[in-house]
Amino acid sequence: DTAVSQTPKYLVTQMGNDKSIKCEQNLGHDTMYWYKQDSKKFLKIMFSYNNKELIINETVPNRFSPKSPDKAHLNLHINSLELGDSAVYFCASSPREPNTEAFFGQGTRLTVV
Amino acid sequence: DAKTTQPNSMESNEEEPVHLPCNHSTISGTDYIHWYRQLPSQGPEYVIHGLTSNVNNRMASLAIAEDRKSSTLILHRATLRDAAVYYCILRDKGGSEKLVFGKGTKLTVNP
Repeated sequence: DTAVSQTPKYLVTQMGNDKSIKCEQNLGHDTMYWYKQDSKKFLKIMFSYNNKELIINETVPNRFSPKSPDKAHLNLHINSLELGDSAVYFCASSPREPNTEAFFGQGTRLTVV
Repeated sequence: DAKTTQPNSMESNEEEPVHLPCNHSTISGTDYIHWYRQLPSQGPEYVIHGLTSNVNNRMASLAIAEDRKSSTLILHRATLRDAAVYYCILRDKGGSEKLVFGKGTKLTVNP
């Protein structure tokens, strides 16, 4: 069983479209994250949710809207996609306790054409 | 989050030990040192973490300098599967909710 699973793995879409990426974790963790890895391979946090509540929003454009229907799911919806949104998006989760291991999904490679 | 400095790249031969250094001269007393790695086309994965004492687990060892301004991740016998980007990250004891990734060290393992 995959601990943190993301769908789809690959997503190719045109500029201006709206798309969603789904993330599910079966580890019982309270905290979930979205990270973005750009073409230069820098990994940057976008959002963090703790038990369905947004706790970190790293100055991400409001075209990006995370949604957590329950603590096992954190989906990422992106409106009006732009070329610069092309990247690999990683979902992650960790327990509430500080300084514990975070588990990452396999990533979703988004290409905007 | 305090900064870390790592070499951009390192090379090793298969079945030899690898010592990956990390400098964190501005580390505070409550910062834990975490290591993650990212294999090609995969998400990051946890390797090890520690506060003051050296730590061992099935993947690696973490040696922390006495003044805590540097640390070294030790892979005892490198395999081709260990080729990855290794990230050294500081996290506050209070458990800052995010991992701040730097550029990391790209490890190449030669057969």
